[in-house]
Amino acid sequence: GESVGLHLPTLSVQEGDNSIINCAYSNSASDYFIWYKQESGKGPQFIIDIRSNMDKRQGQRVTVLLNKTVKHLSLQIAATQPGDSAVYFCAENIWHTGFQKLVFGTGTRLLVSP
Amino acid sequence: ETGVTQSPTHLIKTRGQQVTLRCSSQSGHNTVSWYQQALGQGPQFIFQYYREEENGRGNFPPRFSGLQFPNYSSELNVNALELDDSALYLCASSPGDLYEQYFGPGTRLTVT
Repeated sequence: GESVGLHLPTLSVQEGDNSIINCAYSNSASDYFIWYKQESGKGPQFIIDIRSNMDKRQGQRVTVLLNKTVKHLSLQIAATQPGDSAVYFCAENIWHTGFQKLVFGTGTRLLVSP
Repeated sequence: ETGVTQSPTHLIKTRGQQVTLRCSSQSGHNTVSWYQQALGQGPQFIFQYYREEENGRGNFPPRFSGLQFPNYSSELNVNALELDDSALYLCASSPGDLYEQYFGPGTRLTVT
């Protein structure tokens, strides 16, 4: 079936700490994954993506790791800042005949304390 | 470059009414997808439009319908509104077959 879920609904960290948000997916055929950040009252904002032929991808202060063996994704945020407080979603891109769609998990809320 | 925009921002309707939500895609993007996001949940795929035709649909009833116009802007129409239709409706655009989807700010629909 299609499901993308998250292990932790809420993650509380101190400013300056590193944060790790985890995600499990179920569709082994999916070849593309995305992390989105969603602040209150706003639409999801693209953070970083990774294709299935990669294990790791780095951006500015963020790293995504993909473990296809256990169908697990993680988002690492270095030196977490109060502005990082938001809900984070992993999404799996699933291809159907003629179109693609994103399947989202329920999200993890990241709370950063100063 | 203009991002994805949606209107209105908020909307309150009564059960049984009909509603139309609008989306302008990002410049150069010819594919628009609509998602429904209930409170505390991740977005759920409704349908996708490519070059003015619906080319994919999620598990939503026919009373959810849409249009895409020659300039790639799009509308989501919902008939016979139900209380459970209360949600944030998100529009996302992408440049054709490429993977990246960019979301608008959403329209918050409340059905009373």
